[in-house]
Amino acid sequence: DTAVSQTPKYLVTQMGNDKSIKCEQNLGHDTMYWYKQDSKKFLKIMFSYNNKELIINETVPNRFSPKSPDKAHLNLHINSLELGDSAVYFCASSQDSTGGKETQYFGPGTRLLVL
Amino acid sequence: SQQGEEDPQALSIQEGENATMNCSYKTSINNLQWYRQNSGRGLVHLILIRSNEREKHSGRLRVTLDTSKKSSSLLITASRAADTASYFCAISGGYNKLIFGAGTRLAVHP
Repeated sequence: DTAVSQTPKYLVTQMGNDKSIKCEQNLGHDTMYWYKQDSKKFLKIMFSYNNKELIINETVPNRFSPKSPDKAHLNLHINSLELGDSAVYFCASSQDSTGGKETQYFGPGTRLLVL
Repeated sequence: SQQGEEDPQALSIQEGENATMNCSYKTSINNLQWYRQNSGRGLVHLILIRSNEREKHSGRLRVTLDTSKKSSSLLITASRAADTASYFCAISGGYNKLIFGAGTRLAVHP
């Protein structure tokens, strides 16, 4: 059973399109995250939700909008895709964001290529 | 920049040798974490060390933390070919926000 799963695994799309990436965790965790890894392997936090509440919102374009319908899911919607959005997007979850429960478990990543 | 900076960027060793990777950072932290990433895969958590801890062990892994020097090291003893991967340190601040370094690419040759 995959603890943190993402769909799709690969996404190739044209500039200007709107796309969504889905993430689900079956670990019963309260906190979920989205990270972006660029072509140089640099990982950067984008968003975090704790119990469906947004707690981290880094400086990312408004075209990126996370949505957490419940604690087990955190989706990422991207409007008007640009070439620079090409990257690997990782979802992660942790039991909580504090109190000895911070270990983050990562999904396999979604490889987005914008043409 | 708050991010952890890792050294060396790349490390190539023979099986059985020890591998040491270093991480430096600039801000105060709640904890520091090490992750491994195999090529084309997600990240796997290795060790979390809190700001009031100096050393932690997990199997063949040993992590040290020196908050006065704002640095950490990851030692892998008796390395194996399967240890070939990229290793990232990440500093954790409020809300468990992880700020990652650029990583060290480790190649272990049989």
